[in-house]
Amino acid sequence: DTEVTQTPKHLVMGMTNKKSLKCEQHMGHRAMYWYKQKAKKPPELMFVYSYEKLSINESVPSRFSPECPNSSLLNLHLHALQPEDSALYLCASSLRGQGADTQYFGPGTRLTVL
Amino acid sequence: DQQVKQNSPSLSVQEGRISILNCDYTNSMFDYFLWYKKYPAEGPTFLISISSIKDKNEDGRFTVFLNKSAKHLSLHIVPSQPGDSAVYFCAASPDKTGANNLFFGTGTRLTVIP
Repeated sequence: DTEVTQTPKHLVMGMTNKKSLKCEQHMGHRAMYWYKQKAKKPPELMFVYSYEKLSINESVPSRFSPECPNSSLLNLHLHALQPEDSALYLCASSLRGQGADTQYFGPGTRLTVL
Repeated sequence: DQQVKQNSPSLSVQEGRISILNCDYTNSMFDYFLWYKKYPAEGPTFLISISSIKDKNEDGRFTVFLNKSAKHLSLHIVPSQPGDSAVYFCAASPDKTGANNLFFGTGTRLTVIP
């Protein structure tokens, strides 16, 4: 089973709203990732959690706040977003988060900021 | 600066024939390479990977070739099927850094014509 689940599938929010994206995996993976993908562009890494510790933050604005409550769950808290933050947000997980480690992706959350 | 490049944005192939998707990279630190397939509004699905110590890896209809001196990899799909129609991303990881940061190419849209 290589399933990563993400909720919600679609989210529309205003610039003053606070919302959260959720990601879950039960493969025993110890690394989880958030990516952002704009239309016709490749996914861009935002955050990496390895063994529940934030290991990479790719200079993401503070209006995006990740949280990893345990090794199976990853949240992305959103606050005061801008319309240009509208994108597909992808979660991924991998076994260890090191080296030659295959990342498995969820279906994504399509976010629209009005 | 795009470190992984897919110079063909699209490719059309007749059903039953071979599809060849190409990918070039610039960073000599990349040691692990992956191909993902993506349907619209879904997350990328892992297809096949190759480590830099190999020059070929095969899995069913999919074969990945790596030419490290040319910094080039390719994905061969034989025979191509209409269900293979999707966007294909190659991705690369700098294995030895200990961090699993994937760099994606811009994708090639494959259309298999029945």
